[in-house]
Amino acid sequence: DQQVKQNSPSLSVQEGRISILNCDYTNSMFDYFLWYKKYPAEGPTFLISISSIKDKNEDGRFTVFLNKSAKHLSLHIVPSQPGDSAVYFCAASAASGGSYIPTFGRGTSLIVHP
Amino acid sequence: DAGITQSPRHKVTETGTPVTLRCHQTENHRYMYWYRQDPGHGLRLIHYSYGVKDTDKGEVSDGYSVSRSKTEDFLLTLESATSSQTSVYFCAISEAGWEAFFGQGTRLTVV
Repeated sequence: DQQVKQNSPSLSVQEGRISILNCDYTNSMFDYFLWYKKYPAEGPTFLISISSIKDKNEDGRFTVFLNKSAKHLSLHIVPSQPGDSAVYFCAASAASGGSYIPTFGRGTSLIVHP
Repeated sequence: DAGITQSPRHKVTETGTPVTLRCHQTENHRYMYWYRQDPGHGLRLIHYSYGVKDTDKGEVSDGYSVSRSKTEDFLLTLESATSSQTSVYFCAISEAGWEAFFGQGTRLTVV
């Protein structure tokens, strides 16, 4: 069963508007959350992360919000740009024998229209 | 960009043949991972390593084995390739087990 769920396979947004990508998780042991961005024919690249001790982390146009009680996190991109068009993966990890093994969602394909 | 190289980048092989994919890093990172990406499944962990000769299974390890005899190299072997192993394979590295850096991927087709 999926422990990290991205229920929207795709999202279409107009340039300049806000993009909101959602992610839900089921494992209460997860304590570190990450977002990755992936362009076609390339490997995923790290975008932003958040620890479970925080509820918000911001980096430029990208902000990640964490709601632990709801086991939900979201990535906000403001303003959205055509270059943001990519697949976005949510990932979560928990300490397991001292190592952190990221578990990924299935991804959301974001298309930003000019 | 993190120094991580996957080889080969593309491979076509026949069912039943053994295949080895190589991941090489120049960052001296402790953790190395192999994932596969398939439509509708996202990235699924095959095996990972937390040090030389220290490896463990991931979510979809059946039919795969790994070896890490040096810090910089992590090999993924398909003992007898099957069509269900047609996929894009990504290697990733991480220093403290936090943010991971991914390679460019290997597209494997089993015919």
